[in-house]
Amino acid sequence: QVQLVESGGGVVQPGRSLRLSCEASGFAFWIQAMHWVRQAPGKGLEWVAVIWYDESNEYYGDSVKGRFTISRDNSKNTLYLQMNSLRVEDTAIYYCVKDGVNGGKDFDYWGQGTLVTVSS
Amino acid sequence: QSALTQPPSASGSPGQSVTITCTGTSSDVGGYDYVSWYQQHPGKAPKLMIYQVSKRPSRVPDRFSGSKSGNTASLTVSGLQAEDEADYYCSSYAGSHNLLFGGGTKLTVL
Repeated sequence: QVQLVESGGGVVQPGRSLRLSCEASGFAFWIQAMHWVRQAPGKGLEWVAVIWYDESNEYYGDSVKGRFTISRDNSKNTLYLQMNSLRVEDTAIYYCVKDGVNGGKDFDYWGQGTLVTVSS
Repeated sequence: QSALTQPPSASGSPGQSVTITCTGTSSDVGGYDYVSWYQQHPGKAPKLMIYQVSKRPSRVPDRFSGSKSGNTASLTVSGLQAEDEADYYCSSYAGSHNLLFGGGTKLTVL
């Protein structure tokens, strides 16, 4: 079965950096686009970024553009999110999400998430 | 771009049907047949319920159905059960590789 396990969350000061990881199993990771989606405490969902299966393309939500970088290592079945210049408003649970059947237009399986808290 | 608009709450009694709406614009919901719906129980990860407006993954009960008219998409839950009580989020492709979510609807089974 599909499993997505996020790690790397924690408490970090504003302006600092953090890298999240997501280890995937149970499906052909190397032919699937992957997303990061976040959810601030008690709030709704916000799409963060997507990366194509072959790293040929990556796209970002407006609120993280220029600060966050999505990447992947298909040899390790692992997805990453490098978060720089973190802000208090980046505090959220970050979910690793397998792309749906329509190529970057919807979401299939979700991991359990990792909590990132940005606070001084 | 703004988030899609959902009612904050909806409710129904066991066995009844309830419909949740998701309103966008011609640049997102109205412009593409890529609306999807997600169920989220408290403290859990979201789960895909409907994709491409009305398609249902095999793992999802056929009590869940989706539709769209103009700039508004809808999720209908028929034969409400206690386990359907959860938050529901819609999502739509908005062009230029951008994806939007609705603010979420809390469904209560009375």
